[in-house]
Amino acid sequence: AQSVTQLDSQVPVFEEAPVELRCNYSSSVSVYLFWYVQYPNQGLQLLLKYLSGSTLVKGINGFEAEFNKSQTSFHLRKPSVHISDTAEYFCAVRKGGSQGNLIFGKGTKLSVKP
Amino acid sequence: GAGVSQSPSNKVTEKGKDVELRCDPISGHTALYWYRQSLGQGLEFLIYFQGNSAPDKSGLPSDRFSAERTGGSVSTLTIQRTQQEDSAVYLCASSVLTGGGNEKLFFGSGTQLSVL
Repeated sequence: AQSVTQLDSQVPVFEEAPVELRCNYSSSVSVYLFWYVQYPNQGLQLLLKYLSGSTLVKGINGFEAEFNKSQTSFHLRKPSVHISDTAEYFCAVRKGGSQGNLIFGKGTKLSVKP
Repeated sequence: GAGVSQSPSNKVTEKGKDVELRCDPISGHTALYWYRQSLGQGLEFLIYFQGNSAPDKSGLPSDRFSAERTGGSVSTLTIQRTQQEDSAVYLCASSVLTGGGNEKLFFGSGTQLSVL
């Protein structure tokens, strides 16, 4: 079975600083990886996804993530954050090529301070 | 509709009572998911309906929890004899079944359940 670990429950950063939100997964088979974002008082929405091909994936709002198979990681990065990036970010995994359920991590709360 | 609709948005109940939570997925979406979101626990998978196949119930925490999806559209999550630890936000999501597992999930705003 697949599982996801988000190592940081909270990440405070100052505006315009770079940020990395960490995600590690465990699986014995190929996987699809996703990052979802939940802005305050809003529903979750897809930020980006990795299916295959290039290991660097670009998403909305200037975020990108890099798939690293040897380290079983899919860390999310942004070179310069804005106040509006304050939200909770969830990493998720699904067995590749399957219609199985999507397993989420416990989330990382990103707080961007002025 | 335009998005996934969940009702009620808030539900307060007494311990031991039964509750029903409703989810209206996006029209044409054949996959439907229920998750539970509680503080410090992230999104906990509950159940997954995929088209006409048998649902994946592996995430239901106890036999007090059940869900059905009638006519391949609306879904109801039922919690019997509610306990205080059932207090959480219950999220529903839907997606188009592509066969490849890469589809995007669309989430509702959730039902905040409070068990007193």
